[in-house]
Amino acid sequence: ELKVEQNPLFLSMQEGKNYTIYCNYSTTSDRLYWYRQDPGKSLESLFVLLSNGAVKQEGRLMASLDTKARLSTLHITAAVHDLSATYFCAVDLVNYQLIWGAGTKLIIKP
Amino acid sequence: DAMVIQNPRYQVTQFGKPVTLSCSQTLNHNVMYWYQQKSSQAPKLLFHYYDKDFNNEADTPDNFQSRRPNTSFCFLDIRSPGLGDAAMYLCATSRGLAGLDTQYFGPGTRLTVL
Repeated sequence: ELKVEQNPLFLSMQEGKNYTIYCNYSTTSDRLYWYRQDPGKSLESLFVLLSNGAVKQEGRLMASLDTKARLSTLHITAAVHDLSATYFCAVDLVNYQLIWGAGTKLIIKP
Repeated sequence: DAMVIQNPRYQVTQFGKPVTLSCSQTLNHNVMYWYQQKSSQAPKLLFHYYDKDFNNEADTPDNFQSRRPNTSFCFLDIRSPGLGDAAMYLCATSRGLAGLDTQYFGPGTRLTVL
């Protein structure tokens, strides 16, 4: 059974600091997605990582994928308040289904 | 421009009173999904359509049904809502299957059951 574990599940940090969210998964997969969700809102696609060693960056967020270690990271550089949200990683099965992590609630204090 | 539209955004219904949620898309995507998301939880896939082919998740209650009359529209019917069905319902689309293409989510419908 494919399991996806995120940690931490909750993160409170100060503006300007760096931090990393980890996403581990239990079965071989070459595709991993990161989504952002603001409170009471829908899910916004951030990154799609399609191969081992893939790295993508958008602003202060950078995501990477290591398929051998079954690990993806979402790194936040010099955090700002606007990045406060819940971040989900999701891993695909061979068909249509995504297996979701539990989400990391990120609070960035001014 | 909105790509995945859900109506209504907020729905209040009474225990046991049928309700229908609507989703439409302007992306011409082949696949449409319905998810249920409860507070502080990850989305849970209920079912999906690949074109007209319907796929029901094994643990989706019989109380939930779906219709896709054409490429653009998909409906979620809850025949007899219970208190435990109160949640955010998210519609998503993708060009192909999730493993190949990103899913794009609508804004969601928040369902309250009284």
